[in-house]
Amino acid sequence: AQTVTQSQPEMSVQEAETVTLSCTYDTSESDYYLFWYKQPPSRQMILVIRQEAYKQQNATENRFSVNFQKAAKSFSLKISDSQLGDAAMYFCAYASGGGADGLTFGKGTHLIIQP
Amino acid sequence: EPEVTQTPSHQVTQMGQEVILRCVPISNHLYFYWYRQILGQKVEFLVSFYNNEISEKSEIFDDQFSVERPDGSNFTLKIRSTKLEDSAMYFCASALAGGGRGELFFGEGSRLTVL
Repeated sequence: AQTVTQSQPEMSVQEAETVTLSCTYDTSESDYYLFWYKQPPSRQMILVIRQEAYKQQNATENRFSVNFQKAAKSFSLKISDSQLGDAAMYFCAYASGGGADGLTFGKGTHLIIQP
Repeated sequence: EPEVTQTPSHQVTQMGQEVILRCVPISNHLYFYWYRQILGQKVEFLVSFYNNEISEKSEIFDDQFSVERPDGSNFTLKIRSTKLEDSAMYFCASALAGGGRGELFFGEGSRLTVL
């Protein structure tokens, strides 16, 4: 079974600074995807960024980028130029490449943005 | 922008009662999911549904749970006889493709409180 571990229950960063959220996972599969989801208070989860395991290039979406270390099974999220609207729970998640398997989530990291 | 909608937003019920949580997925999506999140814990996969049948289910999804797509638009989760430990936030999600290939779109969740 796959597992996803987020070791930082809470992180705090000053507005406009950069923060990195950590995630490690364990799997024996070769075809999989990794995700970071953002959950603002009382709102639904939205996809921040997605990485295909077969791609060596790290995914980027504007201020969000990942550091995907496949051998180390590490998938960290970097948020540059942090904004107040980035405050949320961030979940790292894993999905197998095929079938209809659901996502396996980590416990989440609560990100606080200090003005 | 299309979105996944869930009703009710909050339901309070007595232990042993039946509960139905409703979801309207995005109209052209083919894969449907239910997840739950007990307060303070990680988001957990319950079940996936494709082609009018269950594709995958987790250990949590026991005989007390059932899902249905009764009319081609709604996707429901029924808990036959609720227990205290069923108190959680239940999230519906839908996707165009299964596994990690399709982006999951989540609803805002239905909070279930069992007394």
